[in-house]
Amino acid sequence: DAMVIQNPRYQVTQFGKPVTLSCSQTLNHNVMYWYQQKSSQAPKLLFHYYDKDFNNEADTPDNFQSRRPNTSFCFLDIRSPGLGDAAMYLCATSRDPGGLGTQYFGPGTRLTVL
Amino acid sequence: AQSVTQLDSHVSVSEGTPVLLRCNYSSSYSPSLFWYVQHPNKGLQLLLKYTSAATLVKGINGFEAEFKKSETSFHLTKPSAHMSDAAEYFCVVSPSGTYKYIFGTGTRLKVLA
Repeated sequence: DAMVIQNPRYQVTQFGKPVTLSCSQTLNHNVMYWYQQKSSQAPKLLFHYYDKDFNNEADTPDNFQSRRPNTSFCFLDIRSPGLGDAAMYLCATSRDPGGLGTQYFGPGTRLTVL
Repeated sequence: AQSVTQLDSHVSVSEGTPVLLRCNYSSSYSPSLFWYVQHPNKGLQLLLKYTSAATLVKGINGFEAEFKKSETSFHLTKPSAHMSDAAEYFCVVSPSGTYKYIFGTGTRLKVLA
């Protein structure tokens, strides 16, 4: 089945130790998104790629970076995780951005920062 | 400015009774509207979407929603709740021509035996 896959499902890191979260998709969608979701809150968009074009949300901290080496893969890098970065990180894809496009979400990676 | 308001943060229903989760939106352009469900520690699953076709939209697991432009509402309903429906539900609006998906704050549905 076509899907959005996130690895790992659970990630534990230490304060200040860089971490990379992975997302892959078999849907061949043009757009890939990264969201941060804290407990009992709605997902918050960090950034998205439309093909190779990177679009950062204005309030996304510089500590968060992303790479999209090809259509199928997208990575979220947290350069120096703080305790406040502990959250669920959701990857999503859509064929087209917004409007008529539908987002498909992966299962998420839960990040714990010690 | 575009926004989504989910009017209830928590809803409790008894198993077998109807479910109503309310959503109002504000959008300058013809929006697409979505309902997603999220079970604990899981990703978001699409329940249904409205994209300017029929105003009554049927989704998975017996859910449906009606787009009412005059009321700027997109309420989610189900005739009979099941225990497995207990989850968090998000209403999402995406204005046409933008990349934005604007999330409501979510409604936690509790189903009582």
